Amino acid sequence: KQEVTQIPAALSVPEGENLVLNCSFTDSAIYNLQWFRQDPGKGLTSLLLIQSSQREQTSGRLNASLDKSSGRSTLYIAASQPGDSATYLCAVSSGYALNFGKGTSLLVTP
Amino acid sequence: GAGVSQSPRYKVAKRGQDVALRCDPISGHVSLFWYQQALGQGPEFLTYFQNEAQLDKSGLPSDRFFAERPEGSVSTLKIQRTQQEDSAVYLCASSLSGLSYNSPLHFGNGTRLTVT
Repeated sequence: KQEVTQIPAALSVPEGENLVLNCSFTDSAIYNLQWFRQDPGKGLTSLLLIQSSQREQTSGRLNASLDKSSGRSTLYIAASQPGDSATYLCAVSSGYALNFGKGTSLLVTP
Repeated sequence: GAGVSQSPRYKVAKRGQDVALRCDPISGHVSLFWYQQALGQGPEFLTYFQNEAQLDKSGLPSDRFFAERPEGSVSTLKIQRTQQEDSAVYLCASSLSGLSYNSPLHFGNGTRLTVT
């Protein structure tokens, strides 16, 4: 069974810092990897989707990389803002289902 | 609205009661998923529909759980004889593509089920 691990579990940074969230997975036979954001009491918002043939995707201040052979992905957030505070979830697709990590809870302080 | 809509937003059930959770996906979306999210955990896959066909139900935890999407749009997740361990947030997601791994998922805000 695909296992997805996210490190760190929680992170607190001052506004303006650049930061990196890490995701690792055990089975490299994936179709894609997605990063989601979840605000308290809300559903998930898709941030970036990287197909298995791709190495990275960028959207605004977000950049996600994928190294399928080593089973790793990173989400880079540039110039963090208090509005970035949320839980960030990594998920990999090996079939119909997405396998999620437990998430990284991010707090950006003013 | 244009997003995935779930109802009710909150549901409290006494142990042993049956519950029905509704999901209205984005219009035209082929794929529909149900996930279960326990507190502090990532979502866990329950079942997948492509239009009206339930192609994967491997994540349903027991035969008390049943899902349907009879006309390929609205879906209902039914839980019979609820147990305390069923308490969780139930998330519905849809995507445009019939190839479920080819397009991003759009999630609803979930139904928080509490079994007392």
